[in-house]
Formats: sequence, structure tokens, C-alpha cells
Amino acid sequence: AQRVTQPEKLLSVFKGAPVELKCNYSYSGSPELFWYVQYSRQRLQLLLRHISRESIKGFTADLNKGETSFHLKKPFAQEEDSAMYYCALSVISSASKIIFGSGTRLSIRP
Amino acid sequence: DGGITQSPKYLFRKEGQNVTLSCEQNLNHDAMYWYRQDPGQGLRLIYYSQIVNDFQKGDIAEGYSVSREKKESFPLTVTSAQKNPTAFYLCGTTPGTYSNQPQHFGDGTRLSIL
Repeated sequence: AQRVTQPEKLLSVFKGAPVELKCNYSYSGSPELFWYVQYSRQRLQLLLRHISRESIKGFTADLNKGETSFHLKKPFAQEEDSAMYYCALSVISSASKIIFGSGTRLSIRP
Repeated sequence: DGGITQSPKYLFRKEGQNVTLSCEQNLNHDAMYWYRQDPGQGLRLIYYSQIVNDFQKGDIAEGYSVSREKKESFPLTVTSAQKNPTAFYLCGTTPGTYSNQPQHFGDGTRLSIL
């Protein structure tokens, strides 16, 4: 079964500390993975996708097929990073859909 | 994404009533999706549509119905059969019919039972 697991509901770190939001997936096909972010009072929006291999707002995420993981990382957290983060998996079969994890709320302490 | 409009922002329903949530987009996107967002459960897919006049059930379709008569519109009806309808509902779109493209989202509708 296809599944996305984000084990941490809440992650709290100090400003300037490194951040790692965990995401593990279960999918027999070739995965396409995304991170979405929802800042307070804003719409859910794309943060980054693994095929882009880019850094957005200092965040990076590397797909590890051996560990079936797509963890989101940032070396130095900033207060504006506080938000809800969702990991998502694109499933292409007879129909095409996206599966979201349960989300991790990141709180950056000053 | 000003191109996706969900209305109303807040909706109240009495027991036994059907209610319809609106989702309109002017992005010319092919695919549209409805999600339910509950605390601690993330987004769960209710229904999705890749083309006009066609839609598929998601993971929690029971108690819901949809239609896709126009490319721009994908209304969601929460029927009286949905036993726990209180939730936040999000509408999303993707440019093509495949979900491997980034999704765009509306502001959502919060539905509450009176």
C-alpha cells in the first residue's frame, strides 16, 4: 500500500539550530516526492520537489531510495520557518493522485 | 494562488442536511482534487477529477459526492450520510492530468455541524 509517514507531529528547535523533518514513504513504483508548507494564515503551497534538486528558503531534501526517505533539512533555522510541513508522494497508476503525510508542525524558538 | 476560489469560507450544517462546497479555478488546470484536513491526520483525499465529466474516489469518499461538468468547477457535496463532517476542506489543482506536478490550493472551507 502507498503511504507517507511523518513521525513527528511537532518539532521545536531554537533559532540558528539545524532542522530535520522526517518523511518516509511506501511505494513500489518510482517515487516522486514533494514537501508542502503552510504558514500561518496562508495557503498550502509547494516548498520543493525532489526532481528539482534545488534549495528553497535554505531547505533541501534528498531522496534516499534505500531507506525510502525524503527528509527535509535546513542547517540554520529561522523564526519565519515556523509552519506546518507536509510530505507528499505522487502515485501514477491507472489514475494519478497524491498522498500526503499527516504533517509536522515546526516551531522555531527565539 | 488567486486562481482557486473556495466558497464559503465558513459553513454550518444542521444534522441531516446536504451541503455543497464550491471550488472554482481560472488556472486552466486539468485536474482538481478535494481533501479533508483534520488535526493530526494531515490531508486525506476525498475525490479527484482529471478531466471533465470524469472523477475517481479517493481514500475517504463515503458520504461525499462530486461533479465535474465544467473544467473550472469541481463542487463537493457533503451528504447526510457523512457521519463526521466537521472538518476543514481543501480544494487543489494540477496543470495536467498527472499528479507528479505541483499542486495549487485554495483557502479552504471550514464546515461545522450545528
